Amino acid sequence: ETGVTQSPTHLIKTRGQQVTLRCSSQSGHNTVSWYQQALGQGPQFIFQYYREEENGRGNFPPRFSGLQFPNYSSELNVNALELDDSALYLCASSLASGVSNEQFFGPGTRLTVL
Amino acid sequence: KNQVEQSPQSLIILEGKNCTLQCNYTVSPFSNLRWYKQDTGRGPVSLTIMTFSENTKSNGRYTATLDADTKQSSLHITASQLSDSASYICVVKAQTGANNLFFGTGTRLTVIP
Repeated sequence: ETGVTQSPTHLIKTRGQQVTLRCSSQSGHNTVSWYQQALGQGPQFIFQYYREEENGRGNFPPRFSGLQFPNYSSELNVNALELDDSALYLCASSLASGVSNEQFFGPGTRLTVL
Repeated sequence: KNQVEQSPQSLIILEGKNCTLQCNYTVSPFSNLRWYKQDTGRGPVSLTIMTFSENTKSNGRYTATLDADTKQSSLHITASQLSDSASYICVVKAQTGANNLFFGTGTRLTVIP
């Protein structure tokens, strides 16, 4: 176990709905990154938060948004859900100042959009 | 364009046998390369990290190699076990940029009795 937790573990939504996914980072980590992983694919970078500010974003539309809180936990919000949003959503925490900057992944949230 | 390609896409081996997974990358400037193991429906877990100056690194039955000149890495699994069944993902980190991690699509390994 990495110490990174995510909730919920599974979620089923219908097209057009909104969803909020949550992530608690490993103790002492100030950076959280979110990834979308479609079945059989590698993770795709959504965005990263460092000390409550967005610190980089991948090729995802604005309906994907996030927050990081003072305790470094984070939320991923997705509006106007589409069928293609069905995926495993991973969050990873890291210590930005670390030499190796290893990211520790949570177990993921499996989102199914019907 | 920064890319990471892995082969084979999937692999089935008998328990106790060895196997080697390949990773080719074009990421530049290179910082490090990690191999992750991802069990189905779970998050990836780091197995090894390789920096530019390292050629070989072992973690139990896992041995990773890196050829920074040809931009190739391999992960060798010795005496496979049923619990080795998972996806193995190669991740290359560039030296700059917030979005500086480049993921391969993984190799799906199935170990059968």
